Amino acid sequence: QVQLVQSGAEVKKPGASVKVSCKASGYTFTSYDINWVRQATGQGLEWMGWMNPNSGNTGYAQKFQGRVTITRNTSISTAYMELSSLRSEDTAVYYCARGPNLPIVGGAGWFDPWGQGTLVTVSS
Amino acid sequence: QSVLTQPPSVSGAPGQRVTISCTGSSSNIGAGYDVHWYQQLPGTAPKLLIYGNSNRPSGVPDRFSGSKSGTSASLAITGLQAEDEADYYCQSYDSSLSGWGVFGGGTKLTVL
Repeated sequence: QVQLVQSGAEVKKPGASVKVSCKASGYTFTSYDINWVRQATGQGLEWMGWMNPNSGNTGYAQKFQGRVTITRNTSISTAYMELSSLRSEDTAVYYCARGPNLPIVGGAGWFDPWGQGTLVTVSS
Repeated sequence: QSVLTQPPSVSGAPGQRVTISCTGSSSNIGAGYDVHWYQQLPGTAPKLLIYGNSNRPSGVPDRFSGSKSGTSASLAITGLQAEDEADYYCQSYDSSLSGWGVFGGGTKLTVL
């Protein structure tokens, strides 16, 4: 079955970087976009960015421009999201989610399925 | 605040019908971009409920339906069940500089 499995929880100090992985299985990795969404405790969903695994093209929400980088390793069907210059407000659960197999701009399609989420805690 | 506006909470008794609104603007829903809906149960990842304004993925009961008009969209749930108690989010695309993928702030559905 189609599945996205993310890496485990992380604890980081302010100013550090974190890299979360998202391993895809059950489908052709390069045929579907990957999006990253985060959710602070008790808060709503926030779209961070998108990547086309085939071309490597990416797009990021303005809020995260310059701090977030989405990459991939197609040989192991894995996408990565790296967030730098961490601050306490970045403490959240980070999700990867597959976009549809359609010729539409990143972030416009629906997200299905989602990974299980990775808790990133930023604390001194 | 979120680009898409949802009511913070709605409630209904078992068997009743409830609707959740999602209000946008001319740079997102009003520009013709599709609206998608997700259900998030406590402690779990969001699950796709409605895609492309009104389409249900396989496995989603037909008690859930979506619609879109102008700069707004709505999610309707009929025959409310206790298991429907969850957070619901709308999602679309925004063509402004600060946009791309955008979510509503979420609506907590309480089944009385």
